[in-house]
Amino acid sequence: DTAVSQTPKYLVTQMGNDKSIKCEQNLGHDTMYWYKQDSKKFLKIMFSYNNKELIINETVPNRFSPKSPDKAHLNLHINSLELGDSAVYFCASSQVVGVGADTQYFGPGTRLTVL
Amino acid sequence: DQQVKQNSPSLSVQEGRISILNCDYTNSMFDYFLWYKKYPAEGPTFLISISSIKDKNEDGRFTVFLNKSAKHLSLHIVPSQPGDSAVYFCAADGGYQKVTFGTGTKLQVIP
Repeated sequence: DTAVSQTPKYLVTQMGNDKSIKCEQNLGHDTMYWYKQDSKKFLKIMFSYNNKELIINETVPNRFSPKSPDKAHLNLHINSLELGDSAVYFCASSQVVGVGADTQYFGPGTRLTVL
Repeated sequence: DQQVKQNSPSLSVQEGRISILNCDYTNSMFDYFLWYKKYPAEGPTFLISISSIKDKNEDGRFTVFLNKSAKHLSLHIVPSQPGDSAVYFCAADGGYQKVTFGTGTKLQVIP
């Protein structure tokens, strides 16, 4: 069974369109994340949710709106797509244990290409 | 401002030899450090971590060393195997579920 899954794996779309990427985890974790890996391979956190509540929002444009219908899902909706949004988007989850590093489990990534 | 840096984008090592991957950080508030491994077309997977109160952590062929005064950590892989060929990300945990990643080092282990 896949622990963290994302759909779609590839997404090619035109500038100005609206698109969504879905993420699901079956690990029972409380916290989920979205990361963006740009052309320079820099993996940067965008959002994190804990029990459906937004915890981290790292100066991401308002065009990006995460939605967490339950703690197993964190979807990413992007409005008015721009060329600079082209990247690989990774979803991740972790169980916050309070002490120690919270190991994150990543999905396989969604490669978004904006034309 | 890149708080976690991996200055070597790539590294080639012969099978059986030691691989040493380096990472530098600037924020002294980081309290845990992690290494993740990433194969092409897959998400990163956790490899090993170290608390800021330790200077070494070992797990099989993988050892992470932390030098807090120099704000430097390194990952040693001994012996290196072809299956270790991947991109390795250094990451630092500053609390509040926020982890900062480096840009990665692509390791190639030559058979």
